[in-house]
Amino acid sequence: GDSVTQMEGPVTLSEEAFLTINCTYTATGYPSLFWYVQYPGEGLQLLLKATKADDKGSNKGFEATYRKETTSFHLEKGSVQVSDSAVYFCALGSNYQLIWGAGTKLIIKP
Amino acid sequence: GAGVSQSPSNKVTEKGKDVELRCDPISGHTALYWYRQSLGQGLEFLIYFQGNSAPDKSGLPSDRFSAERTGGSVSTLTIQRTQQEDSAVYLCASSSSSGASTDTQYFGPGTRLTVL
Repeated sequence: GDSVTQMEGPVTLSEEAFLTINCTYTATGYPSLFWYVQYPGEGLQLLLKATKADDKGSNKGFEATYRKETTSFHLEKGSVQVSDSAVYFCALGSNYQLIWGAGTKLIIKP
Repeated sequence: GAGVSQSPSNKVTEKGKDVELRCDPISGHTALYWYRQSLGQGLEFLIYFQGNSAPDKSGLPSDRFSAERTGGSVSTLTIQRTQQEDSAVYLCASSSSSGASTDTQYFGPGTRLTVL
């Protein structure tokens, strides 16, 4: 069945560091790919998405490119801030369900 | 506009009791989803409603779990004879379209269920 694998956390970085959170998927067909974020004490919210190969999703300085050849959707940000501290979830859309990765906790230190 | 709302935000119950969790989706959204977020299992799909169609219950973990959606809007997730392994955060989401894989799902804040 469809699945998502993302790097385990926690990931701890200093402010202004470069961020990469790896995400790979296994799916039949051509799913949509999503990154959701859960800030402390808040609900899940969409960060960005891509619906077809080579699409790049971007929001709040974060980017991810849908790479069909490597079945990947890695999340990147050039310069992280303390306010980016959260749990990040990679997910794929399989029919109407979201299939989720395990989540990666990101800690940014000032 | 108002987002997805869920109630209660926290529920503590004793093993064996029944609980009801409520979800109020974004107005006009036809698709509604329930997920469960637990430490051991991560995020899991439970059930999907689309308009007035029969729901997809394929993710419900046992027959103690049921859900309904009245009038195509508010949904209630019921867990009968709760067990300690039911302790989790129950998340509701809605989307505006037909439930296609490209849809953005908007999540509520969740209900944290603790079974003692």
